Amino acid sequence: ETGVTQTPRHLVMGMTNKKSLKCEQHLGHNAMYWYKQSAKKPLELMFVYSLEERVENNSVPSRFSPECPNSSHLFLHLHTLQPEDSALYLCASSQVRADNTGELFFGEGSRLTVL
Amino acid sequence: AQSVAQPEDQVNVAEGNPLTVKCTYSVSGNPYLFWYVQYPNRGLQFLLKYITGDNLVKGSYGFEAEFNKSQTSFHLKKPSALVSDSALYFCAVRPNTGFQKLVFGTGTRLLVSP
Repeated sequence: ETGVTQTPRHLVMGMTNKKSLKCEQHLGHNAMYWYKQSAKKPLELMFVYSLEERVENNSVPSRFSPECPNSSHLFLHLHTLQPEDSALYLCASSQVRADNTGELFFGEGSRLTVL
Repeated sequence: AQSVAQPEDQVNVAEGNPLTVKCTYSVSGNPYLFWYVQYPNRGLQFLLKYITGDNLVKGSYGFEAEFNKSQTSFHLKKPSALVSDSALYFCAVRPNTGFQKLVFGTGTRLLVSP
């Protein structure tokens, strides 16, 4: 139990569906992240929210839409995805500190399959 | 921009033998370096980090890592491997200035045989 909970753990969707991934952290952290993990590729940072403001968006296609309503919750809204979007989506949180030394705490991931 | 290289896709070691998982990095300025482990169907778990001070860092589950500034390396080590150490290991780097963007390597699969 890492203190970061992701739901659902598994999701299968068609290319025309709309679905959402949810992440909740119970650690009192002030930053949350979405990463994409595909086979044989480095982890790709998608979005970062710090103090509920988006501070990073790494050229992610608009079919992925993040939402951070408060410091404990992070969503990834999915619509009109492509089969190549199939991957493990990892949520993480951290406590942003002035000394930049904090580590990330990850959830168990949401395994997405796009048919 | 910072980057991390993990030159080995897989490392095989027999149980009881020492293990090393290699990592080299590139970053402007001084680095903060991290190791994470991922077991099957799980998220990443933090193992250890180097921030400053002693070059040998001790972490969870008996793992340690040695920071070598001249070789820009941060290799993960364990004196005696266990079958349960079999997993995917990720090295990550962050510069010590600016916002905390953590960049990960491609991962190294460790397979410990009985």
